[in-house]
Amino acid sequence: NAGVTQTPKFQVLKTGQSMTLQCAQDMNHEYMSWYRQDPGMGLRLIHYSVGAGITDQGEVPNGYNVSRSTTEDFPLRLLSAAPSQTSVYFCASRSGLAGTDTQYFGPGTRLTVL
Amino acid sequence: GENVEQHPSTLSVQEGDSAVIKCTYSDSASNYFPWYKQELGKRPQLIIDIRSNVGEKKDQRIAVTLNKTAKHFSLHITETQPEDSAVYFCAANSGGGADGLTFGKGTHLIIQP
Repeated sequence: NAGVTQTPKFQVLKTGQSMTLQCAQDMNHEYMSWYRQDPGMGLRLIHYSVGAGITDQGEVPNGYNVSRSTTEDFPLRLLSAAPSQTSVYFCASRSGLAGTDTQYFGPGTRLTVL
Repeated sequence: GENVEQHPSTLSVQEGDSAVIKCTYSDSASNYFPWYKQELGKRPQLIIDIRSNVGEKKDQRIAVTLNKTAKHFSLHITETQPEDSAVYFCAANSGGGADGLTFGKGTHLIIQP
């Protein structure tokens, strides 16, 4: 199993550009989520999904869209990038829908918005 | 929602000594408390977790304790080694629900040779 994979590893955008961060998992996990990590801030939840066709907002959802058309994929879209979205983005999946199940992280995407 | 506080932000210990990192949480319904280790430029990796039906859990040199009454939990690393140097994050779920984990802001653990 590859686990949780993310592409790209690095990305530089100009303010106002759009892009999609890709996330995929091959563990047949129903639950997937996106976090952003900023220096001194820990990880903060952006959006999550409990299955295909179901998404919900986390702590910091503004400026980001998600969709879940398959169990395997959970892309994160930035419609109009802003410098405040410069961060490292981690996708994660969880082995079950219970809040007590183990969560696994992808390798991350480092995004810089100029 | 859940709020997780983590202390200290930086911890320097001599190799072979013990290290303790402490976290408090606000949501009394939280029932899952994982600890992640993150090396520079890498993803967070789960090192140990505890569920609210136990008060302590050990895995070799690592242990976690949970006090539900006081709403705090701690990570203990004994006989520290250079490879323990990293940033450690505590986290808590929100009442057992599906909406993910709330993380502390991290502790940079430095092992002095």
